[in-house]
Amino acid sequence: EPEVTQTPSHQVTQMGQEVILRCVPISNHLYFYWYRQILGQKVEFLVSFYNNEISEKSEIFDDQFSVERPDGSNFTLKIRSTKLEDSAMYFCASSEANPGQGRTFFGQGTRLTVV
Amino acid sequence: SQQGEEDPQALSIQEGENATMNCSYKTSINNLQWYRQNSGRGLVHLILIRSNEREKHSGRLRVTLDTSKKSSSLLITASRAADTASYFCATAVNQAGTALIFGKGTTLSVSS
Repeated sequence: EPEVTQTPSHQVTQMGQEVILRCVPISNHLYFYWYRQILGQKVEFLVSFYNNEISEKSEIFDDQFSVERPDGSNFTLKIRSTKLEDSAMYFCASSEANPGQGRTFFGQGTRLTVV
Repeated sequence: SQQGEEDPQALSIQEGENATMNCSYKTSINNLQWYRQNSGRGLVHLILIRSNEREKHSGRLRVTLDTSKKSSSLLITASRAADTASYFCATAVNQAGTALIFGKGTTLSVSS
């Protein structure tokens, strides 16, 4: 089965630094997402992206965050000026249709540790 | 309770036994999806059940949906040690919405 691929699998960064998390969604999918999971907590929606623009974002997704589809295959999440509380597992996901209509597939995640 | 709350929070069983996990939600939904997460790993899609479906099977998995009670259950039959993981339900609140709302999950431990 096709997979969503995320890199790196682990990222350690110093507080205040910028990080870019990378994802390659499934090739024929049109919707892309970022979710995060703080250790021991539930998976939280950050943002969805469709037709080269953000279609929905949560309260968590503030000005510190941005997303980009720089080319036909990659989808990135940039976190500026990282804080300790940004430490979490970040999941990229993609789907052919929106979640109300079909399956959403998740990558293996990038574990971000801010020190 | 919040949208997508699983019950129980933790479940320990022996290999060969059946495991049942429940999920409750608050608002109307278009579909409900179940995911598995092995410790510290990614989310694996297990099954999707639409709001007009009552039951769905996939291998050893059986999912039911009761929209009148706003609840779903995931049954894993003849469990194996490899089924040890956390299981989450996720709901798409409406057909146009793009966010999945996850519950806190049930941690299943299957011992051999």
